[in-house]
Amino acid sequence: EPEVTQTPSHQVTQMGQEVILRCVPISNHLYFYWYRQILGQKVEFLVSFYNNEISEKSEIFDDQFSVERPDGSNFTLKIRSTKLEDSAMYFCASKEDSPEAFFGQGTRLTVV
Amino acid sequence: SQQGEEDPQALSIQEGENATMNCSYKTSINNLQWYRQNSGRGLVHLILIRSNEREKHSGRLRVTLDTSKKSSSLLITASRAADTASYFCATEGSYIPTFGRGTSLIVHP
Repeated sequence: EPEVTQTPSHQVTQMGQEVILRCVPISNHLYFYWYRQILGQKVEFLVSFYNNEISEKSEIFDDQFSVERPDGSNFTLKIRSTKLEDSAMYFCASKEDSPEAFFGQGTRLTVV
Repeated sequence: SQQGEEDPQALSIQEGENATMNCSYKTSINNLQWYRQNSGRGLVHLILIRSNEREKHSGRLRVTLDTSKKSSSLLITASRAADTASYFCATEGSYIPTFGRGTSLIVHP
């Protein structure tokens, strides 16, 4: 069964460093998303991507964040200069032109 | 905001009992979905109910939707320890699923 895959599963980084979180969405899907979940809190929307561009972003998604779909299969989230408060689980999701979204297993980002 | 809010925040039951979780939302919707999240894992889609439906079943899951009250409920019948997880309702605006805080369900064996 097709699935969304995310790598790495766990990333530890020093404060101020850049990180790139990688996702391979399901191949025929059209909409791509990044969400984050700080430990014990709700799943927060970061950004959506459609037709090779950002379609919507939340107030969390500031200038420190960027997304790319460099080669038609990967979908990456870059955090330019990480802060302690960026520590969270980051989830990638994708979907067709239908309501059901498929989520990856997440990348746990720890900023030290 | 399209965001749904689940209630209760936490629910602890014995295996074999039924678990009921509720979701309220603020704006009109085309559909409402329920997802499940095992601890530290991604969300898994459980069931979708459209705005013109009032009730839907899938195995041990029963979802209701009351658009006049802007609320939905998820019933898990004959719960099992493996049902222990967080459950989220999701509404969708602009093709973006938006989640509430979830209900944390613990089923004791």
